[in-house]
Amino acid sequence: AQTVTQSQPEMSVQEAETVTLSCTYDTSESDYYLFWYKQPPSRQMILVIRQEAYKQQNATENRFSVNFQKAAKSFSLKISDSQLGDAAMYFCAYRDSTGANSKLTFGKGITLSVRP
Amino acid sequence: DTEVTQTPKHLVMGMTNKKSLKCEQHMGHRAMYWYKQKAKKPPELMFVYSYEKLSINESVPSRFSPECPNSSLLNLHLHALQPEDSALYLCASSQDPYSGNTIYFGEGSWLTVV
Repeated sequence: AQTVTQSQPEMSVQEAETVTLSCTYDTSESDYYLFWYKQPPSRQMILVIRQEAYKQQNATENRFSVNFQKAAKSFSLKISDSQLGDAAMYFCAYRDSTGANSKLTFGKGITLSVRP
Repeated sequence: DTEVTQTPKHLVMGMTNKKSLKCEQHMGHRAMYWYKQKAKKPPELMFVYSYEKLSINESVPSRFSPECPNSSLLNLHLHALQPEDSALYLCASSQDPYSGNTIYFGEGSWLTVV
C-alpha cells in the first residue's frame, strides 16, 4: 500500500520569506500523481499544485513550486514571498494510476503559521 | 470560490434524529466523494460514486447512507449517529473516477452529534 509521510507537524515562517514543506511517499508504481492541498481555518480543502510523475519538470503555480525527486520519492512544496493568507494546514497527497477509483492517500498534514 | 457546494454548513443533531447532508457540483463531473475529517487529521474516504453508481464503500457503518440522485447531486443520510461521528464532512468531485483527475472539495459540513 502507498504511504505519504509529512514528518513535521508544524512550521512557522516570517511574512515575505520563503518556506519549504517536506513530503515523502512510498510506492512501487512508476506512474502516479502527487498533490498539495491547503486547508485554511475556513476548512475548505483547496488544491495548491499537482505533479504528474512522468513529467520531469517541477510544477509551479505563482508563488508555489515543488521539488519533485522521483528516485528519492520526495515531493516538497516551496512557498515564496509568504503571505498571512498562506497560514493553513497543508496536506501532501498521492494517487496512483492503476485504473479507475484509485484512492487519494493523504499525509498527516503540516500546520503552517505566518508571522507578520 | 468553490464549485462544490455543501449544505448545511453546520448541523447539530441528536442520536435519534434523521438528517441529511447535501452536496452539489456545477462542473459536469462524473465522480463524487464523501470524506470524513476529524480536527487536525487528514480526510478519510467514506464513499465514491462513479457515473451515479456507488463504486467504493470504505466499510462505513450503515447509519451513514449515501445517495446520488443525479450526476450533480450527492446526499449523505444520517440516522442514529453516535457522538464520535461528530466531524467535518467533506464532499468532493472529479471529472471522472480515473486517477489523474484532480479531486475538488467543497467547504464541508460541520456535524455535531449530541
